[in-house]
Amino acid sequence: QQQVKQSPQSLIVQKGGISIINCAYENTAFDYFPWYQQFPGKGPALLIAIRPDVSEKKEGRFTISFNKSAKQFSLHIMDSQPGDSATYFCAASPPVGAGSYQLTFGKGTKLSVIP
Amino acid sequence: DTGVSQDPRHKITKRGQNVTFRCDPISEHNRLYWYRQTLGQGPEFLTYFQNEAQLEKSRLLSDRFSAERPKGSFSTLEIQRTEQGDSAMYLCASSLGSDEKLFFGSGTQLSVL
Repeated sequence: QQQVKQSPQSLIVQKGGISIINCAYENTAFDYFPWYQQFPGKGPALLIAIRPDVSEKKEGRFTISFNKSAKQFSLHIMDSQPGDSATYFCAASPPVGAGSYQLTFGKGTKLSVIP
Repeated sequence: DTGVSQDPRHKITKRGQNVTFRCDPISEHNRLYWYRQTLGQGPEFLTYFQNEAQLEKSRLLSDRFSAERPKGSFSTLEIQRTEQGDSAMYLCASSLGSDEKLFFGSGTQLSVL
């Protein structure tokens, strides 16, 4: 069973602080690593994604750091805001055309940003 | 609104009954996916369509589950002889061409009593 392990399960951060969520994967064939954000009662929405050929990608306050040799990647949320309070999922998938199109998700991290 | 639409939003059924869910993807998207999400877990892949062809099914998918996408537009997911373990949020997602970005609907919450 392909797995993506995510930690921590829950995270409380002060407004303005940095939120860090970590993921580790096993399958070296994974080629695409997105992070999804989910609010209660809604489906997941893509936040940011990275491929193994780069070590970091930044979009606004959100940064993915990728360590291919360690098979780990992390999401950093700078200047965390109460509106960022949601559940965050890391995921991974093999390359398009590899015969599988399924995303394998981590179990999620519930982030609470307190004022 | 041009997002992924799912119907119904909530379904309560008794064990042993059949249920059917509908998904309308974003209109130009040719790829459609079904995922299942239980409380405190990430979404779990069920099946994938490219146009009307079902190209991938999870090995974990029971034969009580069947999905169709007859004209390459909307899709239905049917669960026969429901069990309490089928209680979950069923999510539909769509994407376009080789773009790996999935757009998810808000899901159908199934409760089997």
